[in-house]
Amino acid sequence: GAVVSQHPSWVICKSGTSVKIECRSLDFQATTMFWYRQFPKQSLMLMATSNEGSKATYEQGVEKDKFLINHASLTLSTLTVTSAHPEDSSFYICSVRGGGASYEQFFGPGTRLTVL
Amino acid sequence: GDSVTQMEGPVTLSEEAFLTINCTYTATGYPSLFWYVQYPGEGLQLLLKATKADDKGSNKGFEATYRKETTSFHLEKGSVQVSDSAVYFCALRGGSQGNLIFGKGTKLSVKP
Repeated sequence: GAVVSQHPSWVICKSGTSVKIECRSLDFQATTMFWYRQFPKQSLMLMATSNEGSKATYEQGVEKDKFLINHASLTLSTLTVTSAHPEDSSFYICSVRGGGASYEQFFGPGTRLTVL
Repeated sequence: GDSVTQMEGPVTLSEEAFLTINCTYTATGYPSLFWYVQYPGEGLQLLLKATKADDKGSNKGFEATYRKETTSFHLEKGSVQVSDSAVYFCALRGGSQGNLIFGKGTKLSVKP
């Protein structure tokens, strides 16, 4: 399967600052990329879906101005948490898919964000 | 909306014990069902899947059968190993976008 990397693997930042998380598909052309958020002992919650070259589609309740997603190429997507606050502390996971809805998704290892 | 409910962990077993992790779902139509596994420090990996009723997915000694009548997809393994220690997620794929909907995950620890 595809190898998906995320950088950084963990980050600590001060409240009010912005943090950028990169998701790279190392050996796979990711037509679609997904960003999930996971709280402790909770399931993965889909935040947004993006197709290469298009604007991301955000799930209900996810602030698109706060969580900026850029799917710049078939191998790179970034999630920027703007003006981060402690309640944004979470585990963020990206996922890639090559084709349509029936294709397999591959997941990155996740990024732990802690906002002080 | 669609949802997945799986048994809460953590589950601690001795090596060679029998494993069952329960998973039930609520969905319109006939979703595809999945089990993903997440080993420490790694991303989720597809363990097995089933796309229609009565299908049995299997991989690495794990099995799960798509039971439409009970809306279940329980994960089983006859003899677990220490290397099976991980977090297991049940998921369904439905909707026009084919988004995955996950359960909360069950942490399994296998002791030697």
